[in-house]
Amino acid sequence: EVQLVESGGGLVQPGGSLRLSCAASGFTFSSYSMNWVRQAPGKGLEWVSYISSSSSTIYYADSVKGRFTISRDNAKNSLYLQMNSLRDEDTAVYYCARTSTSTNDAFDIWGQGTMVTVSS
Amino acid sequence: QSVLTQPPSVSGAPGQRVTISCTGSSSNIGAGYDVHWYQQLPGTAPKLLIYGNSNRPSGVPDRFSGSKSGTSASLAITGLQAEDEADYYCQSYDSSLSGSSVFGTGTKVTVL
Repeated sequence: EVQLVESGGGLVQPGGSLRLSCAASGFTFSSYSMNWVRQAPGKGLEWVSYISSSSSTIYYADSVKGRFTISRDNAKNSLYLQMNSLRDEDTAVYYCARTSTSTNDAFDIWGQGTMVTVSS
Repeated sequence: QSVLTQPPSVSGAPGQRVTISCTGSSSNIGAGYDVHWYQQLPGTAPKLLIYGNSNRPSGVPDRFSGSKSGTSASLAITGLQAEDEADYYCQSYDSSLSGSSVFGTGTKVTVL
């Protein structure tokens, strides 16, 4: 079964750091680009970051640029998001999502999400 | 603030047809980028519903259809069913945002 499972969420104080992980299974992880997408409580979806299959291309939303770092380990079938200098407005459910060329670069597989709460 | 605008809500009775618009600009939909649609049932992760403007992934009922014209796209649901009550989001890319994906503001579909 094709699956993405996020972990690493939790409660952190403003200015703190957190590292999210996304474990992939059921497909050849190293062949796919990946993304992080977040959803604040009661709000819509916001794309956060993109990484290509070989890590050669990386993009960030302006709202997290300079604070978040996306990375991957193809040998471990894992995607990561290092979040530093966290702010209240970073509170959200964070999803990892696969980009597939067979669906015109749509996000065809999503994880269940992990909740990040930034609060003092 | 999203660059793709959707109506906050639409509603319809069972069996009716509803449409959701996604309005962009010349730097995203109008630039020729594909539009994708996602369905998010309450308390769950989003699910790909339509890709490449009008294509359905395997398993998605043909009650769902998508189209694109100019700087806008639309999602239509025909034969509305109770289980279609969910949030729907469009998504595309924007050339003014350095490779960024962009999501629409989201639309809540209510089955009366």
